[in-house]
Amino acid sequence: AQTVTQSQPEMSVQEAETVTLSCTYDTSENNYYLFWYKQPPSRQMILVIRQEAYKQQNATENRFSVNFQKAAKSFSLKISDSQLGDTAMYFCALNSGNTPLVFGKGTRLSVIA
Amino acid sequence: DAMVIQNPRYQVTQFGKPVTLSCSQTLNHNVMYWYQQKSSQAPKLLFHYYDKDFNNEADTPDNFQSRRPNTSFCFLDIRSPGLGDAAMYLCATSARFGYEQYFGPGTRLTVT
Repeated sequence: AQTVTQSQPEMSVQEAETVTLSCTYDTSENNYYLFWYKQPPSRQMILVIRQEAYKQQNATENRFSVNFQKAAKSFSLKISDSQLGDTAMYFCALNSGNTPLVFGKGTRLSVIA
Repeated sequence: DAMVIQNPRYQVTQFGKPVTLSCSQTLNHNVMYWYQQKSSQAPKLLFHYYDKDFNNEADTPDNFQSRRPNTSFCFLDIRSPGLGDAAMYLCATSARFGYEQYFGPGTRLTVT
């Protein structure tokens, strides 16, 4: 069975600071994909960043980057220069083989002015 | 822009009165998904279609049905909504399994 664990139900960060959201996962597959999704309050869920397991290089999208530790099965998201618009629920998700996404329970991030 | 569209955005129905939610996509993706999301929780997969192949999650109640008449459209039918079915319903698509999913804005269902 595949599982995704987000151990931080809520976090807060000051505007312009850096914050890291944690995610660990478990899968027996060798080829898989990891994602971070963002869901702002009452708004659409959007993909923030994706990581292919076979790639050693950590994915980066502007202010968002990941720390992918395959052996430790860890996939954390770092948000640099936090902005008020980053306030949202963040879901870590795992996709492997012919199975649908497995989501973590989410981390609610509040960016404080 | 290519996108996933859900209608209506808000739906109010009465207890036991059938309701249909719709989803359309312009991405030409093979896979379409329906999720149920309750407040502050992760989306829960109800079912998905890979092309015309329907896949029901084991714990999806029989009260929920789905139709995909063509690549672009997918419908969620709730035959007899209960108060516990009040939730946000999300439609998503992906080109294939293992690829990122693109979500629609959701339909918020209220059951009175």
